[in-house]
Order: sequence, then C-alpha cells, then structure tokens
Amino acid sequence: QVQLQESGPGLVKPPQTLSLTCTVSGGSLTNGDFYWSWIRQPAGKGPEWLGRANTNGISSYNPSLRGRVTISVDTSKNQFSLRLTSVTAADTAVYFCARDIVWLGDLFFDACDIWGQGTMVTVSP
Amino acid sequence: SSDLTQDPAVSVALGQTVSITCQGDSLRSHYASWYQQKPGHAPLLVIYTKDNRPSGIPDRFSASSSGTTASLTITGARAEDEADYYCSSRDDSNNRLFGGGTKLTVL
Repeated sequence: QVQLQESGPGLVKPPQTLSLTCTVSGGSLTNGDFYWSWIRQPAGKGPEWLGRANTNGISSYNPSLRGRVTISVDTSKNQFSLRLTSVTAADTAVYFCARDIVWLGDLFFDACDIWGQGTMVTVSP
Repeated sequence: SSDLTQDPAVSVALGQTVSITCQGDSLRSHYASWYQQKPGHAPLLVIYTKDNRPSGIPDRFSASSSGTTASLTITGARAEDEADYYCSSRDDSNNRLFGGGTKLTVL
C-alpha cells in the first residue's frame, strides 16, 4: 500500500528557509487525480493546511502564509517537497505530508486519506 | 484561530454513544471529513464526504450534517476510541480547513 515518509532538518534558524521532502513508496504520484499536500500541527493545536500540488501543475496554498510556501512535485524521484521561506518561531510544528483526493473515480472524496508519520521542525536561533 | 469550531473536550462512558460537533460557515456548502489522532501519531481519516468510512474503519463511526454544524457519532464507544478528533472542510477558494480538535475521553 502507499506510504509517505517526511525527511529534512529538524532545526531551522530564523529567517532561513525550511525545506522538507516527502517520499512516496508503494505507489506512484504520477496519478493526476491525486494532490499532494503539506499540513503542519503546532504542539497542542489542530492541523493547519499549508497547500497542495499535483503532477498536472495545479497548486494552491493557504493564503495566511502570504506567499511564503511553495510545493513542488518530482515524478522522477517519486517525491514532493515543501519550501517555507522567512521562518519564525511561529513555524515550529510537526510537519506532515499527505495524499489529498478530491475525486476518486466517480466518487467525490475530498479528504486526505494517507499521511506520513510527521517530522518535528523547530525554528530557533 | 480556526474557521471550524469544536468543543475542546468530550467524555463518554464505555459502550455508550457520543457525538462530537464541528461548526463553521463553510459547512453550509461543503462536506466535513473527520480524523482521529492518537498521541504521537498522524491523523487517521475516519469519515469522508458526508458519511463514508475508509476501508478498515469500524461502522460504529458515523457522521451527519445540518446547516453550519457537522457531527461525528461513535455508537458503542470503546477504550481504543479515546483520541483527539478533528473535523475538516474547505472554504469557497478550495483551501482546506481544520478544526481545533476535540479530546475524547472514554470513561
């Protein structure tokens, strides 16, 4: 079955750029019906959707991040990546990658059905 | 703050039925999905698109919606259902939204 695994540095200094990669195993991310999302969760709080992209070049981002976030998909490596610029302590969180489905064939699915285990990122000098 | 509002905590006696609610204007136009999260784990999808369960999710989990309120119901709560539950929907720009979560305690 499809599995997702996040990787990247656990500590980032402000105001540097946070970069994470999600590796997809057990399946291909070339299916254009799927989106690939990044979601973060500060300690003790609910998840916050950061954005998503698919292999057809369609992407969308949380407007609250004010253009700091970019998600890219690399089909040759079966990976997708997150780039978050100008980080501050407020960006400290567990970061999850997830498969995001709007339509599954004729079924309106509209949810994230597979998640990575998450990776903790701390922003600190 | 979240555009989806949940009660911070709910408790239920073992074997009884409990509903967890989620309120938000986006729910008037868009379906809610529900996630279960246990400490140290990623969220697990338990309900999608109104009242559908992914493979492997027990049928004691169900959902409903009316107006700006969506509800997740657990019928016959078990000890392993103790977890945080999050609702999710989308806004009119197709951005995903998450609620602040409800901590369910099974007594």
